Amino acid sequence: TQLLEQSPQFLSIQEGENLTVYCNSSSVFSSLQWYRQEPGEGPVLLVTVVTGGEVKKLKRLTFQFGDARKDSSLHITAAQPGDTGLYLCAGKTGANNLFFGTGTRLTVIP
Amino acid sequence: DAGVIQSPRHEVTEMGQEVTLRCKPISGHNSLFWYRQTMMRGLELLIYFNNNVPIDDSGMPEDRFSAKMPNASFSTLKIQPSEPRDSAVYFCASSYAGPYEQYFGPGTRLTVT
Repeated sequence: TQLLEQSPQFLSIQEGENLTVYCNSSSVFSSLQWYRQEPGEGPVLLVTVVTGGEVKKLKRLTFQFGDARKDSSLHITAAQPGDTGLYLCAGKTGANNLFFGTGTRLTVIP
Repeated sequence: DAGVIQSPRHEVTEMGQEVTLRCKPISGHNSLFWYRQTMMRGLELLIYFNNNVPIDDSGMPEDRFSAKMPNASFSTLKIQPSEPRDSAVYFCASSYAGPYEQYFGPGTRLTVT
């Protein structure tokens, strides 16, 4: 079983602060995805990173794939209450395997 | 465009009863996934279909669980008999090709008493 550990597990911050969450594994992934899940809804895909060292930006969110393709980070600048949710990373190995991480539950306090 | 559609959204049943969850994937997607999410275990893949054929069912907990995909626009996940430990949110997701960039439905919250 591939294990994707995310840290921190829980994070509560004030509006306007910056934060970084991490997704780590001992396995190499061909690609890695980040999803955000709001209460009562299914996860929604935010971004896919494919190349080691790749950086993608989505407004105030910056995603980075590790050089060795074993880890990833998500940085949020000037967090807003609308960023509140469960952030999940998911790593793909081979043709048919996608493994979801343990999740980081973020709360942004107005 | 309609996203992934799941029904029912909520299901409360008694232990021992049969439960059937339904999913309609996004039109044109050829891969469909069933997941279970709990606080303790997170998001777990139960089964994955490609072109209506089960590719990986290693996540199906036991023989009480079964899934079918009779055509490209419909899938069911059945639990018979249900047990309290089956209580969870069950998600269906679909994608264009394999486990890549999946679109999730709103989920079915199952409570077995």
